[in-house]
Amino acid sequence: EPEVTQTPSHQVTQMGQEVILRCVPISNHLYFYWYRQILGQKVEFLVSFYNNEISEKSEIFDDQFSVERPDGSNFTLKIRSTKLEDSAMYFCASRLRTENEKLFFGSGTQLSVL
Amino acid sequence: GESVGLHLPTLSVQEGDNSIINCAYSNSASDYFIWYKQESGKGPQFIIDIRSNMDKRQGQRVTVLLNKTVKHLSLQIAATQPGDSAVYFCAENIGYGNKLVFGAGTILRVKS
Repeated sequence: EPEVTQTPSHQVTQMGQEVILRCVPISNHLYFYWYRQILGQKVEFLVSFYNNEISEKSEIFDDQFSVERPDGSNFTLKIRSTKLEDSAMYFCASRLRTENEKLFFGSGTQLSVL
Repeated sequence: GESVGLHLPTLSVQEGDNSIINCAYSNSASDYFIWYKQESGKGPQFIIDIRSNMDKRQGQRVTVLLNKTVKHLSLQIAATQPGDSAVYFCAENIGYGNKLVFGAGTILRVKS
């Protein structure tokens, strides 16, 4: 079964450093998402991306965050200057087409900001 | 002040018993709902979904019930197995933006 893959599985960085989290969505999917989950809390929406532009973003997704689809397969989340509170598990997800279709999640990247 | 983490409700069941996990959703305009299972260190895994024009849907060993009147969703797992132990999240699709909003989660512990 096709799956969403994320790299790295763990990322440790110093506060103020830039990080890029990488994702390869399922190949024929058209909608892409980033969610995050702080330890012990619920999964929170960050951003959705369709047709090479952001469809929607949450208030968490401030100017320090950006997303990009640099080629036909990768989807990245960049945090320009990491803060301690950015420490979380970041999940990439993709969906085939319109609303009312299930979202497939990757296994996540655990980001630890020291 | 802001809480560090949520204390998730926990459901403990004996292996072989049926489990019922409940969820209250927030938006009466939501038209699509999903249950996800999350095992430790992994991403949410799809279990079953239901559209708002239905009130019940069955899968393999799982059933989802939707009560739009009280904005309530439940997941029933038949003959619960140790491999069912995980955190279960309901999620609702809000708006045309295709955004899923997750609930707080319930821990299911299966005792052998």
